[in-house]
Amino acid sequence: DTGVSQDPRHKITKRGQNVTFRCDPISEHNRLYWYRQTLGQGPEFLTYFQNEAQLEKSRLLSDRFSAERPKGSFSTLEIQRTEQGDSAMYLCASSSRGTSDWNEQFFGPGTRLTVL
Amino acid sequence: AQSVTQLGSHVSVSEGALVLLRCNYSSSVPPYLFWYVQYPNQGLQLLLKYTSAATLVKGINGFEAEFKKSETSFHLTKPSAHMSDAAEYFCAVINTGNQFYFGTGTSLTVIP
Repeated sequence: DTGVSQDPRHKITKRGQNVTFRCDPISEHNRLYWYRQTLGQGPEFLTYFQNEAQLEKSRLLSDRFSAERPKGSFSTLEIQRTEQGDSAMYLCASSSRGTSDWNEQFFGPGTRLTVL
Repeated sequence: AQSVTQLGSHVSVSEGALVLLRCNYSSSVPPYLFWYVQYPNQGLQLLLKYTSAATLVKGINGFEAEFKKSETSFHLTKPSAHMSDAAEYFCAVINTGNQFYFGTGTSLTVIP
């Protein structure tokens, strides 16, 4: 396992369509995070999982956004009824809890979403 | 809420010159602070982190940062810039809820 992978790398969709992104974390990592990054900005935290439990989701941008991690391994982020403002890079990261809560997060390459 | 401010969205230095990227944090308690680097078309990579041990933290690629509580700062430095250092640099802080807050980033250009 060489790192966090995300699929697809690029997604172009029309406004109003639903999209789903997948993230595969580093295999031994039990924490998984989703971020959104818009041009000229730093990553914006959306939600995170510890194993299959979604421990924080209050910062998901709207009820059109949802994330799952059903088996505690890969995760999906779904955006329903996409809007042009959803165009951004969506980043996934994973970390191991280890002996500290402040372990390094390893980031994937991201999925770039373009909503036409 | 915790946050970080990066002063200077673009920094240009000559090859071999000192690199100084500024980061100030807002926190009521000693935070955990990080610097990440993002190369074009690549994911973010951790440069270094401060977790309340030594205030001077050494990272990869010759970078280091000093935590100064009195100044609420965590500036990133490198004595001699290399062309390969050209990238986007992000300062980040983590809160007790394990949520990262990233700064808006500083784009570093290295002039040959």
